[in-house]
Order: sequence, then structure tokens, then C-alpha cells
Amino acid sequence: DADVTQTPRNRITKTGKRIMLECSQTKGHDRMYWYRQDPGLGLQLIYYSFDVKDINKGEISDGYSVSRQAQAKFSLSLESAIPNQTALYFCATSDWGQGPTGELFFGEGSRLTVL
Amino acid sequence: QKEVEQDPGPLSVPEGAIVSLNCTYSNSAFQYFMWYRQYSRKGPELLMYTYSSGNKEDGRFTAQVDKSSKYISLFIRDSQPSDSATYLCAMSARSSASKIIFGSGTRLSIRP
Repeated sequence: DADVTQTPRNRITKTGKRIMLECSQTKGHDRMYWYRQDPGLGLQLIYYSFDVKDINKGEISDGYSVSRQAQAKFSLSLESAIPNQTALYFCATSDWGQGPTGELFFGEGSRLTVL
Repeated sequence: QKEVEQDPGPLSVPEGAIVSLNCTYSNSAFQYFMWYRQYSRKGPELLMYTYSSGNKEDGRFTAQVDKSSKYISLFIRDSQPSDSATYLCAMSARSSASKIIFGSGTRLSIRP
């Protein structure tokens, strides 16, 4: 089983619908992240959480919200999806003690299409 | 202007060739430099990281940082079809994963 699991892997929805992407991890890491990947733009940080009581906005948080339900679970919500939120979404974890950069461990991604 | 620029490719080379992948950046405060490899339909995984300037070698892979030119490179020797993937450079001014800036990735294909 993958250390970082994302569900669903693929989702097609309509404009205005509420969508939740879920992430769970078995790595025991405190830090969790949500990224968005678009062609030509690379990975952009949406939200991150250093522990259950800590939530921080990333560079592109508008239109998104998150919930850290437990150390191992971090979900991303789109309250009212719009077409330009069509993208590949990645959850990642890190452990601050692992090297100076805090290596990121990614899930396999959730492809979201908003029609 | 993006903080990190990376040629998207695609780059196609024959098996056994030496591959050079590059990124340029504008923020002189960047000190931590990374290369992530992303296979199709998978998440990125860390391939190499270096701190400040210089070279780092790991098997067939060499990462090179030239801070004076704001230029980093990843060299792959004796390239294999299994090296076919998208390579993302990444960098940070601080030792925190929340501050990492990613390049857009270069798609590499190694022809058997």
C-alpha cells in the first residue's frame, strides 16, 4: 500500500458543485501539504499544515479550504468548483527532521475536471 | 517573471546518451536545490538535493549548482529507458518544505 493515499484518483464534476479530495498517510509525518499541478506552471502550494492545530495558506489558497482531521488525514475542499480549478492535485507529507530541505513525499495525485 | 524557469521539453535522446537538464532562477537567496523525478501518473519523488554551490554525484546522476550564474543542472550518464520521466527542479531559501519553489518540469524520453 502507498504511504500517501489520495482519494478519489479521478473526478469529473460540474461548476458550482462542492468537492472534497482526501489524503491519508502512514508515514507518521506531522507536516502535510496540498499542491496543484498545471501544465507549464509546475507545482503550486495551496495549503499546508504542520500539525493538527496548525493550518497555513499557500500561494494559491483562494477558492480552497482544508481540514486536518487527524495527524494522518488532511482533506482539501472546493466549496463551489469552477472550470479553472481543473488540475492535478497532490497531497504530500514531510518530516522536518529528514534532511535540511524537509523532503516531500507525494501521493499519486487526484485528477479533477470541472465542466 | 517566474522565480524558477525550466524548459518544458520534451527532450528525446537515445539510450546511453548523456542528458543535461537545466533550470535558471532569479532569487539570489535560494540555498537549497533539489531535483524531483515524476513518472507518468505518479507523484514526484526526490532524486537529489544540494546545499549552496558545487556538485553532488549519486550513481549515474550529477547535480550541479552555479549560484553566480543562478543556474542549476542535472546530468544523467548512460541514460536508460527507465529514466523516461518528467524532471522538476526545486529550490528554497530556507530549510522548510513549505518554502520550496518548483520549476514547471522537463519531460524526458529515452529511446531504446
